[in-house]
Amino acid sequence: DQQVKQNSPSLSVQEGRISILNCDYTNSMFDYFLWYKKYPAEGPTFLISISSIKDKNEDGRFTVFLNKSAKHLSLHIVPSQPGDSAVYFCAAGPAGSARQLTFGSGTQLTVLP
Amino acid sequence: DSGVTQTPKHLITATGQRVTLRCSPRSGDLSVYWYQQSLDQGLQFLIHYYNGEERAKGNILERFSAQQFPDLHSELNLSSLELGDSALYFCASSEGPGDYGYTFGSGTRLTVV
Repeated sequence: DQQVKQNSPSLSVQEGRISILNCDYTNSMFDYFLWYKKYPAEGPTFLISISSIKDKNEDGRFTVFLNKSAKHLSLHIVPSQPGDSAVYFCAAGPAGSARQLTFGSGTQLTVLP
Repeated sequence: DSGVTQTPKHLITATGQRVTLRCSPRSGDLSVYWYQQSLDQGLQFLIHYYNGEERAKGNILERFSAQQFPDLHSELNLSSLELGDSALYFCASSEGPGDYGYTFGSGTRLTVV
């Protein structure tokens, strides 16, 4: 039972254009959402997060949007750069004191020069 | 270098064997999390320790066990290994028991043959 789904295994975007990565979740108990970026042979690196009381959070070129009614979040990267090429994982955490994350299967983003 | 150290980086072992994976958290971090990433899947939460005490357990097999020592390093013990246990095992750390933005290590790749 995949509670966090990233339906696109891969995405290619031209440098300078917008990259949009999508994520859907099914568990209504999730109240905190994160995006991690992973390069080969490295661990995931925290990128940006959003709590369920917000619908948008922005950090430089990265913006995360949360649509609670649709149980959907997205990560926008603009403008995309070749160094953004990596696997992006969406993750969600429950309300309360537990802090374990449920991860999606990842989307490989390739930014073409 | 994230500051979270995992050893060994690679491990090849036979079915039925037992292995120990080691994790040293970032300086000052009291929480250690263990995650398993099987092929083409997201990271699956295994277990969380905070300051030596177990705080949460995920879908961790009975053949697997973990502990966090007084110096805060953690070990994940995997026994009676099966082919399906081949995966990347990540450790992450955070300062408190309730921080979501973990810092991950670069992982241990376990191959069971």
